[in-house]
Amino acid sequence: AQRVTQPEKLLSVFKGAPVELKCNYSYSGSPELFWYVQYSRQRLQLLLRHISRESIKGFTADLNKGETSFHLKKPFAQEEDSAMYYCALRRTSGSRLTFGEGTQLTVNP
Amino acid sequence: GAGVSQTPSNKVTEKGKYVELRCDPISGHTALYWYRQSLGQGPEFLIYFQGTGAADDSGLPNDRFFAVRPEGSVSTLKIQRTERGDSAVYLCASQRGPTDTQYFGPGTRLTVL
Repeated sequence: AQRVTQPEKLLSVFKGAPVELKCNYSYSGSPELFWYVQYSRQRLQLLLRHISRESIKGFTADLNKGETSFHLKKPFAQEEDSAMYYCALRRTSGSRLTFGEGTQLTVNP
Repeated sequence: GAGVSQTPSNKVTEKGKYVELRCDPISGHTALYWYRQSLGQGPEFLIYFQGTGAADDSGLPNDRFFAVRPEGSVSTLKIQRTERGDSAVYLCASQRGPTDTQYFGPGTRLTVL
């Protein structure tokens, strides 16, 4: 069975500092990886997916199959980045998402 | 356009009662998912519909939980004989095609007293 692990429940950084939210997964096949974000009082929304290889709101994430990781990075954190971040895995097209427990990011002024 | 909507936004019920939670997906999205999110946890999969049929219901915790999508659009999650442990936020998501993104609704917060 697949599993997603986000080792940090809470992460606090200062504005302008780099930030990295860790995500590790276990799955024997070739999954698709996602980062979802939930801002205060808003619904869960997609931040980025590994197959797009895009940078959204300054965030990037690279799938490392050797280390089975998909860490989310941003070089200069902003206060508006404060939110709950979830890493998720999808085994095959059309199948369920398996989520990690989430990391609450706080960016202090 | 309109996103995924869920009603009610909050539901408080008593132990043993029956509840129905509704999800309206984005128009044209053939796939619909239900997840449950307990406090401090990530969403956990319950059931997935492709059109009118349940393609995967392996996440339903027991036979008190049931979901339908009779016309391939709106879906209802039904919980019989509710228990305090059913208290959670129930999320619905829809997806246009197999490789597309899942879009989530705002959730229904269920509290069982």
